[in-house]
Amino acid sequence: EAGVVQSPRYKIIEKKQPVAFWCNPISGHNTLYWYLQNLGQGPELLIRYENEEAVDDSQLPKDRFSAERLKGVDSTLKIQPAELGDSAVYLCACSFVLEGEQYFGPGTRLTVT
Amino acid sequence: QQQVKQSPQSLIVQKGGISIINCAYENTAFDYFPWYQQFPGKGPALLIAIRPDVSEKKEGRFTISFNKSAKQFSLHIMDSQPGDSATYFCAAGAWGKLQFGAGTQVVVTP
Repeated sequence: EAGVVQSPRYKIIEKKQPVAFWCNPISGHNTLYWYLQNLGQGPELLIRYENEEAVDDSQLPKDRFSAERLKGVDSTLKIQPAELGDSAVYLCACSFVLEGEQYFGPGTRLTVT
Repeated sequence: QQQVKQSPQSLIVQKGGISIINCAYENTAFDYFPWYQQFPGKGPALLIAIRPDVSEKKEGRFTISFNKSAKQFSLHIMDSQPGDSATYFCAAGAWGKLQFGAGTQVVVTP
């Protein structure tokens, strides 16, 4: 079974530029998560989807961050405009059911200069 | 507000030794307590998890001890191997929503 796929793996952009991250979860996993992981810290939840519905986006900075999960499969996380403080690893995870084991992708390392 | 506190921040253990990592939580509604292992450049991977109806769970060399009254849980890595060198995160949550600790970097020396 293929794992969680994320792209790109690395991204370097200048501040104020837009950036997008893509995630393809494990087939059949209806719950999808986006996490932010700062250096030396644990993951922090940004948004959680049940199929195509965002059921928890309370930690998503909505002034510059947006996400979508069309058709309840792939998901895209966007930042516009990026700030220096957005430099971090963005992790996508999924689970088969709401309280099931979460499987993480390798993450996208974003550097904002 | 950090809801899950993890210690130590780092530890060095000799091959064959025992690694012990501790976590404490505040929210009594939490009912799921997983431990994740993360290697550089990789995403976290689930090692072992426990629910509050048991006080201990063992899988191979990894054991979780859980103290509901103290709101604490710990990971014991027995017979530590160099391949265990990684960062370990505890987490706690309910209904699929997890709060992670800050992580412990474990180095196992040959």
